[in-house]
Amino acid sequence: DAGVIQSPRHEVTEMGQEVTLRCKPISGHDYLFWYRQTMMRGLELLIYFNNNVPIDDSGMPEDRFSAKMPNASFSTLKIQPSEPRDSAVYFCASSLRTGPVTPSYYEQYFGPGTRLTVT
Amino acid sequence: GQQVMQIPQYQHVQEGEDFTTYCNSSTTLSNIQWYKQRPGGHPVFLIQLVKSGEVKKQKRLTFQFGEAKKNSSLHITATQTTDVGTYFCAGSNTGTASKLTFGTGTRLQVTL
Repeated sequence: DAGVIQSPRHEVTEMGQEVTLRCKPISGHDYLFWYRQTMMRGLELLIYFNNNVPIDDSGMPEDRFSAKMPNASFSTLKIQPSEPRDSAVYFCASSLRTGPVTPSYYEQYFGPGTRLTVT
Repeated sequence: GQQVMQIPQYQHVQEGEDFTTYCNSSTTLSNIQWYKQRPGGHPVFLIQLVKSGEVKKQKRLTFQFGEAKKNSSLHITATQTTDVGTYFCAGSNTGTASKLTFGTGTRLQVTL
């Protein structure tokens, strides 16, 4: 299994430009998560999907951020327009519920991340 | 909202010394997971604890879930340079078991 795939691995862009980050989850996983990691704020959950449907987007910073999951094997996180404070490492993770209904197991598999720099 | 704090933020030990990181949640958790992130890498799942007072071991690593299910700890015996990285706890609540709130992390540095 190739694991979670993210692209690009590095992105440098100028303030005001649109940025699109891409993620391919592990085949068969039914949950997909987008996280942002910075030194100041740590690892923050932005949004997550279950069976391609957004479940909780309360962590999305503002309207400049949007995420989609058009099918089970692909998701995007878009920032438009980008700002310097969006500079961070963005991780995508996927998981599959295993075990009985209670307790459930949701071990998350993280991708390598996209390091975004907005100048 | 739920907050998960870890202490210490950073610890530097010499190889062979023990290390412990503590995790405290503002709310009762249904389960807790632990992840390790190597420098420049991504978080990697280590273990999940579900039961009150549960203790699990993985070689030199011992994980414990508190009786009240609001705190947890990770203890490493006789650290090695391969243990270098940041250790995160992550908790979830009943009803939103798929959603994790990550702790602030403890960065471990090990020198010879």
